[in-house]
Amino acid sequence: GQNIDQPTEMTATEGAIVQINCTYQTSGFNGLFWYQQHAGEAPTFLSYNVLDGLEEKGRFSSFLSRSKGYSYLLLKELQMKDSASYLCAVRDGTGFQKLVFGTGTRLLVSP
Amino acid sequence: EPEVTQTPSHQVTQMGQEVILRCVPISNHLYFYWYRQILGQKVEFLVSFYNNEISEKSEIFDDQFSVERPDGSNFTLKIRSTKLEDSAMYFCASGVGSYGYTFGSGTRLTVV
Repeated sequence: GQNIDQPTEMTATEGAIVQINCTYQTSGFNGLFWYQQHAGEAPTFLSYNVLDGLEEKGRFSSFLSRSKGYSYLLLKELQMKDSASYLCAVRDGTGFQKLVFGTGTRLLVSP
Repeated sequence: EPEVTQTPSHQVTQMGQEVILRCVPISNHLYFYWYRQILGQKVEFLVSFYNNEISEKSEIFDDQFSVERPDGSNFTLKIRSTKLEDSAMYFCASGVGSYGYTFGSGTRLTVV
């Protein structure tokens, strides 16, 4: 089976740093994705990890530990436009590589 | 940047009616997917399509659902007899291989 856990909601202040955690238990694993989703819109790709370690991409970084079934998304220099839901998704290593999503973390950035 | 295009953006239909949701994936992509998201809930996998056939489907994707790639560009999801609980945002996604998926902007389906 598949189980992906993320906090439901987080708040942070403009200019700050926030870390959104994700833990997963899956029967097959072939990479972990982070997506950003604004209300009523499609998920947009932020990052991808398949090996352990940190991937940095501008203000966003993502970390993966496969042995711990754990990832985090780090957002630096927060901006108001970063208020959105952040979705952790694991690519199923079996079958045809579908994504299994967590429930998402709603981030509210305040001035 | 290439996009996945979905039409219509909104669809309202009566319970029991058939609906067809349309998607134009990115042209060189080989893997196609439908996901849905009920309001306030997580994104759920429905079906994947590769090499002109269904490669995997979820428990949600029952006999009321079907997918087709009628020509080289379109990818459709049909719901034969809609139920109230089919109301959701439906996302099409496509991918070229082992890295990355691009999602379309979605079709909001409301069944009344």
